[in-house]
Amino acid sequence: DTEVTQTPKHLVMGMTNKKSLKCEQHMGHRAMYWYKQKAKKPPELMFVYSYEKLSINESVPSRFSPECPNSSLLNLHLHALQPEDSALYLCASSHTSGSTDTQYFGPGTRLTVL
Amino acid sequence: GNSVTQMEGPVTLSEEAFLTINCTYTATGYPSLFWYVQYPGEGLQLLLKATKADDKGSNKGFEATYRKETTSFHLEKGSVQVSDSAVYFCALRRASGTYKYIFGTGTRLKVLA
Repeated sequence: DTEVTQTPKHLVMGMTNKKSLKCEQHMGHRAMYWYKQKAKKPPELMFVYSYEKLSINESVPSRFSPECPNSSLLNLHLHALQPEDSALYLCASSHTSGSTDTQYFGPGTRLTVL
Repeated sequence: GNSVTQMEGPVTLSEEAFLTINCTYTATGYPSLFWYVQYPGEGLQLLLKATKADDKGSNKGFEATYRKETTSFHLEKGSVQVSDSAVYFCALRRASGTYKYIFGTGTRLKVLA
């Protein structure tokens, strides 16, 4: 099973709202990732967790707050977002940091900020 | 630095035509190379990968060979179908030191019946 699940599939929120995105995998992967993808662009890395610890933050604004409560779950907490944050948010996971490891992506959450 | 360059799209082909999507890369050492496909409204799916020079990745009729001498990883398929219409991303992962994938800009393929 190479499935990464993400909820919700779609999310519409106002600029003053607080919401969370959820990602789950049961492949025993110890690295998990958040990406942001704008239309007709490649995914842009936001955060990487390795063994439940944050290892990469690509200078993401603090209105995005990641959390990895256990090895299977990854959350992205959203607060005071801007309309330009509207995008497809993708979660991915891989076994470890090895260079041959494959990242497996979830279907994404399409976020609209009004 | 590390980078991936893909051919500009969109690429429009008739069904059963031959497909080539060019991908070249710049990296130190021996990165792993990947092709991902993204269908409309979906996440990325791994299509194939190669982890060392001269390796050939293949899946669902698609093939790509890791060419270190030309720093290329071109995607090919002998006979495309309408269902292959999607965006294709070439990506590399460095041999050490980081979890980061470097993605190309993506190439949109449209196959007409």
